[in-house]
This record gives sequence, structure tokens and C-alpha cells, in this order.
Amino acid sequence: DAGVIQSPRHEVTEMGQEVTLRCKPISGHNSLFWYRQTMMRGLELLIYFNNNVPIDDSGMPEDRFSAKMPNASFSTLKIQPSEPRDSAVYFCASSRTSTQYFGPGTRLTVL
Amino acid sequence: QKEVEQDPGPLSVPEGAIVSLNCTYSNSAFQYFMWYRQYSRKGPELLMYTYSSGNKEDGRFTAQVDKSSKYISLFIRDSQPSDSATYLCAMSRGSGGGADGLTFGKGTHLIIQP
Repeated sequence: DAGVIQSPRHEVTEMGQEVTLRCKPISGHNSLFWYRQTMMRGLELLIYFNNNVPIDDSGMPEDRFSAKMPNASFSTLKIQPSEPRDSAVYFCASSRTSTQYFGPGTRLTVL
Repeated sequence: QKEVEQDPGPLSVPEGAIVSLNCTYSNSAFQYFMWYRQYSRKGPELLMYTYSSGNKEDGRFTAQVDKSSKYISLFIRDSQPSDSATYLCAMSRGSGGGADGLTFGKGTHLIIQP
């Protein structure tokens, strides 16, 4: 059974560019979470969806960040415009019951 | 003050030792407590899950929650080099963590010396 799939695995971009991160949750899971991990701040929740509906986006740092979940098998996190302080590892996780399963992450570097 | 505090380490112990990892938290609304293990350049994976106060054992791992002190622990017995990883505590207010976002500690980097 495939786990959570994230793409791309690595992204290097220049300041000001638009970045789109993608996530495919585990089939049958109805909750999806986006987290960001940095050395300074650790792992932080950005936003999560239940049944494709955004429930809590209070962790989204600024209006430059947006997330969508158009259907049960796909979600995107977009940063526009990107800034060097957005450099981090972005994780997607999904769940059906009490356990959140994490993807391998997207390592984003903004130059 | 961060909601969840965790010593980042590194914590280095010899193989076979008992390891104790801890977190403190400030939000009394947390009801569900988890420990995740994260290997370098990988996503976190769930190790232990407990609800409210008490102990839970799973093989070499024991999780303890003391809600009165706002303190949780993870014990690893007979530690192995393969246990070397970063251990993150996590908590949630409701829905068992499955439909609710998690609040994480910053993680403790554990090194088991062969």
C-alpha cells in the first residue's frame, strides 16, 4: 500500500518565484495536514482539511501561503511570492483514525 | 513560552542502556499524547499513542503521561544503534489526533553508541 506521496522531493527556486508543493494522501484517509519543519521552529502545523474542507489555517504564516484540496486524493500548498525565510522541509500527512501518516517531505530552498 | 518544550540534545548513550526522553507542556487542553520517531531526511513515524494520564507499553517502549504535572516521557529499554534518531513528542486537543492538528516539541536527537 503506497504511503503519502509528495512532489517534488526537492525544490530550489529564487526569491519572488511561485512555488507549488503537491500531496497525494493515503487512499481512504479523510484528513490531510500540511506541516513545516525548520531547525529554529521545529515541526509546525500550517493547515489541515477534513473531508476536503479547510478546518484550521491559523498556522499559515502569511497571505503568501495558500492551500487547496480539490478532491480526496490531491492537495497543493502554494507560496507566492517565495522568500528565503520560507526555506524548510514541508510535510504532508493524512489520517483516517487516530494516526497521522507523514510523507517523505519536500525540501524547499529559496535563494 | 512555547506550548511544548523538549530538550533538543543530542543525547548519547551506550547500547543496551535505558533511555528517558521527556516533554513538558503548558496547555491543559491537550488530551492526546504521541511520540514520533524521525530518521534523518525522512518523515516522522508514530511510535506511541496515549490518551490522558497513565502508562502504555509496547515492546521495548513505554510512554508515560502525567497531566497533573503537564509532563510526558518515553522510555526505551535495551537501546539499540537502530534507535538512533530524533524523537518528537506531539499533542492534540481533541479527535484523537487523527482529525486534529498536532503540536510538536522540537525533538530530541538520540545517539546509541555501539
